[in-house]
Amino acid sequence: DIVMTQSPDSLAVSLGERATINCESSQDLLYNSDNKNYLAWYQVKAGQPPRVLIYWASTRESGVPDRFSGSGSGTDFSLTISSLQAEDVAVYYCQQYYSTPFTFGQGTRLEIK
Amino acid sequence: QVHLVQSGAEVKKPGASVKVSCKASGYIFTAYYLHWVRHVPGQGPEWMGWINPNGGDPNYAQKFKGRVTMTWDTAISTAYMELSNLKSDDSAVYYCARDGGAAPPNGDPPTENWFDPWGQGTLVTVSS
Repeated sequence: DIVMTQSPDSLAVSLGERATINCESSQDLLYNSDNKNYLAWYQVKAGQPPRVLIYWASTRESGVPDRFSGSGSGTDFSLTISSLQAEDVAVYYCQQYYSTPFTFGQGTRLEIK
Repeated sequence: QVHLVQSGAEVKKPGASVKVSCKASGYIFTAYYLHWVRHVPGQGPEWMGWINPNGGDPNYAQKFKGRVTMTWDTAISTAYMELSNLKSDDSAVYYCARDGGAAPPNGDPPTENWFDPWGQGTLVTVSS
């Protein structure tokens, strides 16, 4: 199974500042035949189901604010929130869909400093 | 608008089984794979398997093979996940979630295997 490891486990950032969450996979997620990275990012707010933010490592889902961006390739990926808003307080997860079983990172809790 | 509506919370004793339903609306049920994912707060979500409502065998994660059964009824656009021989560490919120992209017409599995949208979740508590 592909192991997904996020860092840090928790993060406190001031409103308006940048937040960056990292995700490392134990195997390459770049599929050579289509040159796509099989990685997604989710936001989970208290009491709500997960919401996909990013897929193909860097494609923003429709309706997701443009302050959210995804980057990286191969085994190292990042989710960046360019200017933290109060409503961004949540737990964030990366997920690989390169191969089954699809696996998630352990999560990064984002709070306001 | 796409919606997945799940059945209500369950409390079960160890050794029992639980069956969770997921009713889909707002899209063609047979056009998208459907996944089951469970989440224990404080841990990463865990993928349990997928179904292809257009036919074929479900694909179960190895961890759950022998204990999980995923079925569906296309007439009512509803999927089911039954987990047997429950243990205390099966206590979790169970979600259904649609695949990110429509299944290709050639019968191959889709590659857009992110999950969007998700059902509201079903809390399953296993306790003696």
